[in-house]
Amino acid sequence: LAKTTQPISMDSYEGQEVNITCSHNNIATNDYITWYQQFPSQGPRFIIQGYKTKVTNEVASLFIPADRKSSTLSLPRVSLSDTAVYYCLVDDQYNFNKFYFGSGTKLNVKP
Amino acid sequence: DTAVSQTPKYLVTQMGNDKSIKCEQNLGHDTMYWYKQDSKKFLKIMFSYNNKELIINETVPNRFSPKSPDKAHLNLHINSLELGDSAVYFCASSPKIRTSVIRETQYFGPGTRLLVL
Repeated sequence: LAKTTQPISMDSYEGQEVNITCSHNNIATNDYITWYQQFPSQGPRFIIQGYKTKVTNEVASLFIPADRKSSTLSLPRVSLSDTAVYYCLVDDQYNFNKFYFGSGTKLNVKP
Repeated sequence: DTAVSQTPKYLVTQMGNDKSIKCEQNLGHDTMYWYKQDSKKFLKIMFSYNNKELIINETVPNRFSPKSPDKAHLNLHINSLELGDSAVYFCASSPKIRTSVIRETQYFGPGTRLLVL
């Protein structure tokens, strides 16, 4: 099972681009990388998912280098409402329904 | 039109009591989960059910017993509550989709904050 390592916290200011990197050195060939966002007093919410190179949606971009041992979640022009905990997950290719959340990165966006 | 709902939202009880948390999803998903999030915000999977069948049980004490009357509901019953059971419990669901280009994504409920005194 590929474990993930993320920074515990990050600070940013409104309007800045924020990049949160996740390490997953033991990622398996068929594993995907998924990011979730959790606001205080709410359940996690799916943000983005990818396998390799770059994925972009209306919320974020996900950059995955060729060796796939890390990934970077990029949030363009953050606002105060982006203050949340961001979790990086690598799914277990042998257990379709097992999701392991790491400690997450607490992003603090300041005015 | 809540997708995944949990009741109650808050639960305060005494040690030794038995309590239940209910979860319902109206997304038509096949799989449902229970997670526990402790005070340090670590989110750990406890159980997973697929079409009413238990498929994941992550070394959770026997005091915790999930019940799935149908695939839209997954309830969690806890016997003989202990102080260490205090946490936020999240229910989640996901569609049974796994292809070469997509993996399952989970939809979480709002959580049930359990405090054992």
